[in-house]
Amino acid sequence: DAKTTQPPSMDCAEGRAANLPCNHSTISGNEYVYWYRQIHSQGPQYIIHGLKNNETNEMASLIITEDRKSSTLILPHATLRDTAVYYCIVRLRQGGSEKLVFGKGTKLTVNP
Amino acid sequence: DARVTQTPRDKVTEMGQEVTMRCQPILGHNTVFWYRQTMMQGLELLAYFRNRAPLDDSGMPKDRFSAEMPDATLATLKIQPSEPRDSAVYFCASGPGSSTDTQYFGPGTRLTVL
Repeated sequence: DAKTTQPPSMDCAEGRAANLPCNHSTISGNEYVYWYRQIHSQGPQYIIHGLKNNETNEMASLIITEDRKSSTLILPHATLRDTAVYYCIVRLRQGGSEKLVFGKGTKLTVNP
Repeated sequence: DARVTQTPRDKVTEMGQEVTMRCQPILGHNTVFWYRQTMMQGLELLAYFRNRAPLDDSGMPKDRFSAEMPDATLATLKIQPSEPRDSAVYFCASGPGSSTDTQYFGPGTRLTVL
């Protein structure tokens, strides 16, 4: 079973920041938070991951609360092409534990 | 631009027929995953391999499904016999190593069993 809880859907205006929340209250100390997204009819795509520090890459920023029980994925300037289902996943990052357990994710719709 | 490739992209077959789906992982990646996606169940891991050896196939129905890696450039997922409930999109993904940060997914094979 997925160890995360996400809202089923969100809307965002094009050009604005999209903030996608995720609850992972049972996360353990050696588990990472990963985000993937799936654009319609395509395979999932990796976005970002983190352990406890905030992370940023060319696609997004990841903010993890100090107690690590929740996180927020931020798309700073959403475009229409960011419309997708976003999955927040908690998993161990060590050999033999690479499996991703996908929940239902958040369907983000970016509106013009 | 290295990508995971999957063939066929679409497959329609009749119940009872054998179905073979193929995946070419990104060159140099030694971990390969098979996922299945349906509307009801979402994305589920079926099996995964490292260095061609199966590590976990607990998500795969053993009576009719089999997954193999004949060589480092080819992974196969076979269903025999197929049933209508096997209709789904099957994704292959590959990763570069034992502490894989990123799984790179292929475009999927859409299987319809009539």
